[in-house]
Amino acid sequence: EPEVTQTPSHQVTQMGQEVILRCVPISNHLYFYWYRQILGQKVEFLVSFYNNEISEKSEIFDDQFSVERPDGSNFTLKIRSTKLEDSAMYFCASSWDSDTQYFGPGTRLTVL
Amino acid sequence: QQQVKQSPQSLIVQKGGISIINCAYENTAFDYFPWYQQFPGKGPALLIAIRPDVSEKKEGRFTISFNKSAKQFSLHIMDSQPGDSATYFCAAIGTGTASKLTFGTGTRLQVTL
Repeated sequence: EPEVTQTPSHQVTQMGQEVILRCVPISNHLYFYWYRQILGQKVEFLVSFYNNEISEKSEIFDDQFSVERPDGSNFTLKIRSTKLEDSAMYFCASSWDSDTQYFGPGTRLTVL
Repeated sequence: QQQVKQSPQSLIVQKGGISIINCAYENTAFDYFPWYQQFPGKGPALLIAIRPDVSEKKEGRFTISFNKSAKQFSLHIMDSQPGDSATYFCAAIGTGTASKLTFGTGTRLQVTL
């Protein structure tokens, strides 16, 4: 069964450093998303991406964040200058119809 | 108005019992309501979903009941099993290109032997 994959599974970084989180969505899906989940809290929307551009972004997704689909398979989230409060699980999701979203296993980001 | 309220926060059910988790929403633009199951350290997994044109949807031991007028929906897990122990999130999504999921706060379910 096709699934969303994410790398790395755990990323540890120093405050102020740049990180890139990588995702391989399910092939033939058209809609791509990043969500995050702070430990013990609910899943929060960050950004959606369709037709090679951002469709919607939350207030969390400020100028420090960017997304890219550099080729036909990868979807990346970049945080330019990480802050302590960026520590969270980051989930990539993809969808064929924009409703039925399938999530990856997540990347745990720890900012020290 | 964008919130989805979920209760209870935690739930303990005996094996074989019925687990019931409730959600409520305000935004009438929501038109798709999925439930996700999440095990520790894993991503949310789509469990079952419903649209507001039906009042109930059943898949195996999992049933969603939907009350459009009350803007409420619930997940029923029949014959609950220890393997069902996980955190369950209701969510809602509205129409639009690449629409975002709005999640509830989650219910931690523990099924005891």
